[in-house]
Amino acid sequence: SSELTQDPAVSVALGQTVKITCQGESLRAYYANWYQQKPGQAPVLVMYGRNYRPSGIPDRFSGSSSGNTASLTVTGAQAEDEADYYCSSRASGGYHQYVFGTGTKVSVL
Amino acid sequence: EVQLVESGGGLVQPGRSLRLSCTASGFTFGDYAMTWFRQAPGKGPEWIGFIKSEAYGGTTEYAASVRDKFTISRDDSKSVAYLQMNSLEAEDSAIYYCARGIFYQDTRGFYYFDLWGQGTLVTVSS
Repeated sequence: SSELTQDPAVSVALGQTVKITCQGESLRAYYANWYQQKPGQAPVLVMYGRNYRPSGIPDRFSGSSSGNTASLTVTGAQAEDEADYYCSSRASGGYHQYVFGTGTKVSVL
Repeated sequence: EVQLVESGGGLVQPGRSLRLSCTASGFTFGDYAMTWFRQAPGKGPEWIGFIKSEAYGGTTEYAASVRDKFTISRDDSKSVAYLQMNSLEAEDSAIYYCARGIFYQDTRGFYYFDLWGQGTLVTVSS
């Protein structure tokens, strides 16, 4: 399957925890990668593989997965975390392709 | 500075061709897969395809939507990746990004894309 589904929008109070989920059949075979995108900017990788953060990404970001669902959690959300978040994974099937989720707009109140 | 810079975007008529470039600096270009994405206004990113490093065979993979129209190549001596786009349609209008891909070795391996350029805008219109 080539579809990854995310909730369109979530909000979180400053300093609280928010969990963003991503569902799709490809996640049964492949880990999700997570990208943060702010308006007018390129996406930035914030989580990849089992639960790895690229250099420079704060440790308030963490990831998990189970079955066909992957999650990105922001513990102690900051104002600068307000952005669109996209999950992505390799697509299951014959070709080596990649798919993106529908995106979640995170608002920090 | 470690960075990717796209160039070559602009306004192009339907049916015409365009070649985008992605120039890398600050890292060993040949060690990485180079990938192209696009993002239409108000939409999420879409993976277009990539070219693996020579260590992984230098082969290409494409999304089904562009497989017969777009070609990705690379010149490791110049640290540049290219996206040749033919038979352009209005639906190809988007910001085009290049990104660096790293292979994650697991039971089932995959790439993750850790460095992105700022993008170049392609508008297909008469």
